[in-house]
Amino acid sequence: DIQMTQSPSSVSASVGDRVTITCRASQGISSWLAWYQQKPGKAPKLLIYAASSLHSGVPSRFSGSGSGTDFTLTISSLQPEDFATYYCQQANSFPYTFGQGTKLEIK
Amino acid sequence: EVQLVQSGAEVKKPGESLKISCKGSGYSFTSYWIGWVRQMPGKGLEWMGIINPGDSDTRYSPSFRGQVTISADKSITTAYLQWSSLMASDTAMYYCARPLTMVRGVMGGIDYWGQGTLVTVSS
Repeated sequence: DIQMTQSPSSVSASVGDRVTITCRASQGISSWLAWYQQKPGKAPKLLIYAASSLHSGVPSRFSGSGSGTDFTLTISSLQPEDFATYYCQQANSFPYTFGQGTKLEIK
Repeated sequence: EVQLVQSGAEVKKPGESLKISCKGSGYSFTSYWIGWVRQMPGKGLEWMGIINPGDSDTRYSPSFRGQVTISADKSITTAYLQWSSLMASDTAMYYCARPLTMVRGVMGGIDYWGQGTLVTVSS
């Protein structure tokens, strides 16, 4: 299986801050990476697919980059509704493993 | 409108069997794979497996192979996740999930999720 490692596990930030979350794959996955946002008690929501493609309806302050083994999710200017947990998922091959999650908290 | 509607919460005892469901609507059910994701209390997302409802081709994560069975009935556009003998450690929220695309094993991300089915296993 491909292992996905996110960092940091948690981060505190303020409204308006720029935040970057990193995801590393244990082997190359080309650009087949997705990012999700999950709020407590809710199903995850797709933010980014194919490493850098913004899913329909997702605000443009979210962006993704990377290829191969190293990827980033950037939120350019945090809004109150962005405080949540974020997960990466490799979409290159079965099984489609997730990272352990990054909890974004209000400072 | 695409929808994945899951069956309701379940409370079971260890050793009991269970089958939960996920009904797809608003799209061609046999044209999209459906996956299952586990989330244990306070923990992250775990990929369990995925099925192609068109031909029942099923791929399990090694961690879940032999522990659960994934199936689908295309006549009623419903996917299933079942256990033959539940354990307390199966207590979790289970989500069904539909990939955006799926081509030769490469997935485009999950764009539709069910609302989740909470399974509680306790004596």
